[in-house]
Amino acid sequence: GAGVSQSPSNKVTEKGKDVELRCDPISGHTALYWYRQSLGQGLEFLIYFQGNSAPDKSGLPSDRFSAERTGGSVSTLTIQRTQQEDSAVYLCASSSQSGAVNSNQPQHFGDGTRLSIL
Amino acid sequence: DQQVKQNSPSLSVQEGRISILNCDYTNSMFDYFLWYKKYPAEGPTFLISISSIKDKNEDGRFTVFLNKSAKHLSLHIVPSQPGDSAVYFCAASYIGGSYIPTFGRGTSLIVHP
Repeated sequence: GAGVSQSPSNKVTEKGKDVELRCDPISGHTALYWYRQSLGQGLEFLIYFQGNSAPDKSGLPSDRFSAERTGGSVSTLTIQRTQQEDSAVYLCASSSQSGAVNSNQPQHFGDGTRLSIL
Repeated sequence: DQQVKQNSPSLSVQEGRISILNCDYTNSMFDYFLWYKKYPAEGPTFLISISSIKDKNEDGRFTVFLNKSAKHLSLHIVPSQPGDSAVYFCAASYIGGSYIPTFGRGTSLIVHP
């Protein structure tokens, strides 16, 4: 498919376990974003990758969260020692270049990973 | 502290009528504004955007209005169709924030046939 692909679509795990969420952006897109949406909340920015630049990690809520992007393509978001408040839908988006997201270079979102911590 | 606020969690409209979704922001540095549409179990889809140098942008049935002095924008959908039923997110960005959009909590629009 040509869109942003996220896996798994659903993940249920026990509190204290580590989880890895994967994002395959659209081929050629240099910008990649991770967001999460908790119940009843908006999209909360987590981390932003742009090309070979250092990622903007300003949205990561704690040091249990980390992300990497290998080869400028696939990204993995890792949550260590999960807590119940980590339960949310984790969304990945990519866009073709940096600068303002607009009609010429919109963010394309995946369908998200629904993470449930028991 | 929410910088982008959508104070109406839901809106119900009759098919064929106008839907007006509102959004307020607090950060005066925002200079680019976006609307996204989200269906259940899908990711958001970019809908329409507006730069702060404009006060109106139109794309088919969708028009976004920006009132900078009031720090307010609105999305008008006319005529509304049942397929427009979705959650609509308002977002704002600025160059100092690396143009990373800040999202509101969304408004759920239901268009009744």
